[in-house]
Amino acid sequence: EVQLVESGGGLVPPGGSLRLSCAASGFTFSNNAMSWVRQAPGKGLEWVSGISGSGDITYYADSVKGRFTISRDNSKNTLDVRMNSLRAEDTAVYYCAKDRWGSGTSSMDVWGKGTTVTVSS
Amino acid sequence: EIVLTQSPGTLSLSPGERATLSCRASQSVSGSYLAWYQQRPGRAPRLLIYGASNRATGIPDRFSGFGSGTDFTLTISRLEPEDFAVYYCQQYGSSPITFGQGTRLEIK
Repeated sequence: EVQLVESGGGLVPPGGSLRLSCAASGFTFSNNAMSWVRQAPGKGLEWVSGISGSGDITYYADSVKGRFTISRDNSKNTLDVRMNSLRAEDTAVYYCAKDRWGSGTSSMDVWGKGTTVTVSS
Repeated sequence: EIVLTQSPGTLSLSPGERATLSCRASQSVSGSYLAWYQQRPGRAPRLLIYGASNRATGIPDRFSGFGSGTDFTLTISRLEPEDFAVYYCQQYGSSPITFGQGTRLEIK
């Protein structure tokens, strides 16, 4: 069974940092690009960042560029995002998602259950 | 970036009825790279349609997608109780990936 499990969410003060992780199983991890998508409370979906299957190409939404860093370890089947200089507007459920393609932008056919990030003093 | 506008914001229908959801893009979506997702309360999104008209694995054939360029539709031919949820369109033809604001499908 293809599965994605996120971890690392929590409460962090404005300006703080947090690292989210996603453990993947049930597919050949390096074959697929991966994405992070977030959803603020009561709001819609916002794509945050993506990374190619090989890990050499990364993409960011303008709202997080320069503050978030996406990475992956294909030997451990894990996807991470390091989030710095967090703001109240970063408060959201963060989903890890498997892209249908190996690189570039794609639709997402498997999603984790999400991990909640709350930025508040 | 491409802005996706979904209509209506809320659609009230009864089980067994036909639902038609619209997604309009601010500019042409390259390659018809348009997807639809369903999100039930408290759950992660689920991919329904990719490439404008291709059903994802395991999606019932009552779900169908159509469109190209800037205008796309998702049709649910006969609503089942589990279909009442929020639906999002997404374009992935150009970066950044963008989502529509969603259409809430509620029981009338």
